[in-house]
Amino acid sequence: GQNIDQPTEMTATEGAIVQINCTYQTSGFNGLFWYQQHAGEAPTFLSYNVLDGLEEKGRFSSFLSRSKGYSYLLLKELQMKDSASYLCAVRPARGDKLIFGTGTRLQVFP
Amino acid sequence: GAVVSQHPSRVICKSGTSVKIECRSLDFQATTMFWYRQFPKQSLMLMATSNEGSKATYEQGVEKDKFLINHASLTLSTLTVTSAHPEDSSFYICSAGGGLSSGNTIYFGEGSWLTVV
Repeated sequence: GQNIDQPTEMTATEGAIVQINCTYQTSGFNGLFWYQQHAGEAPTFLSYNVLDGLEEKGRFSSFLSRSKGYSYLLLKELQMKDSASYLCAVRPARGDKLIFGTGTRLQVFP
Repeated sequence: GAVVSQHPSRVICKSGTSVKIECRSLDFQATTMFWYRQFPKQSLMLMATSNEGSKATYEQGVEKDKFLINHASLTLSTLTVTSAHPEDSSFYICSAGGGLSSGNTIYFGEGSWLTVV
């Protein structure tokens, strides 16, 4: 079966750093995506990892370890607008089908 | 860049009626598109893979006779919720890959809120 786990909720303070973890067990692996989703809106793409290591993109970084079935999204210099849900998604095979994790709701406080 | 558009963004229908939601790829061709549903405070659940020119592939537990998917062209997939019930009220969202020119980018439509009364 497919299993992708994330913490349900996290809180952090403006200006701080937060790490959102994702562990996965899927039938195959052809890349891992992180999306941000504000309530009632479509997800927006944040990052993509297919090889082990860290991908950095401005305030956001994403890390992947395929041997451990583990990824994290790191958000630096948190801003109030970063309050949203963060979705980890695995592409189990070639193509564009994604299996989403449970999602993490992040609240940023002043 | 490539964009996926979904329509309508919000729809309210009476119980027992059918509702059609459209998903279009605006400047690229998509041989496959994907339909997800999302209940409040939950993640996206894949419902089915829409295949151009052939039958859709449904995920386990999704009723294919209730959620009819048609992918008649390379730029349009439709999801019809038949005989809708209040428990079908949800956020429905489609996605498509942008093809080789967009690398690994997968685009999402804006989503459609369905309320069945």
